[in-house]
Amino acid sequence: ETGVTQTPRHLVMGMTNKKSLKCEQHLGHNAMYWYKQSAKKPLELMFVYNFKEQTENNSVPSRFSPECPNSSHLFLHLHTLQPEDSALYLCASGREFVDTEAFFGQGTRLTVV
Amino acid sequence: AQTVTQSQPEMSVQEAETVTLSCTYDTSESDYYLFWYKQPPSRQMILVIRQEAYKQQNATENRFSVNFQKAAKSFSLKISDSQLGDAAMYFCAYRSATGNQGGKLIFGQGTELSVKP
Repeated sequence: ETGVTQTPRHLVMGMTNKKSLKCEQHLGHNAMYWYKQSAKKPLELMFVYNFKEQTENNSVPSRFSPECPNSSHLFLHLHTLQPEDSALYLCASGREFVDTEAFFGQGTRLTVV
Repeated sequence: AQTVTQSQPEMSVQEAETVTLSCTYDTSESDYYLFWYKQPPSRQMILVIRQEAYKQQNATENRFSVNFQKAAKSFSLKISDSQLGDAAMYFCAYRSATGNQGGKLIFGQGTELSVKP
């Protein structure tokens, strides 16, 4: 248990659906991240938030929309996804400007049908 | 841009034996951090060990140790006395020490380690 909780663990959605992934941490971290993990590919950084402000969008399509209402919660809103968006979505948190590692959640396994 | 390469997609080791996982990286920075993460079937990414680039001494955590060769940009992980619970996907990761990089991690492709009883 790393202190980062993601829900749901599994999600199946149609291409016309709208869903949201949730990430929560109570570790006092000020930075939160979304990563995408596809089969046979390295983890890809999607978004970075520091102190609730988005500091990086790694050329992610607009059908993925992040939201960080406070430093403990991070959402990823999904709409009109494509089958190739099926992947494991991992949330992580850490302390920016401090040399600590990132703590990861268990991920949401997303399948787009 | 920084890159991380793990050239071994799969590795296998006999229980109680030693195995070394390879990782190379490319960067123009002089100060950074390197990590090995473990991802078991539960999918939870767990930190195994970390190394600060400014430290010459290789990091060690119980049965896990690294061989950090800064000039060669190599960062291998050695697992001694392998246990069945060590079976997992292992990822090498790089993090810039520059604050404006957002603390992001750059990952290699991963090495799947199996442990034979």
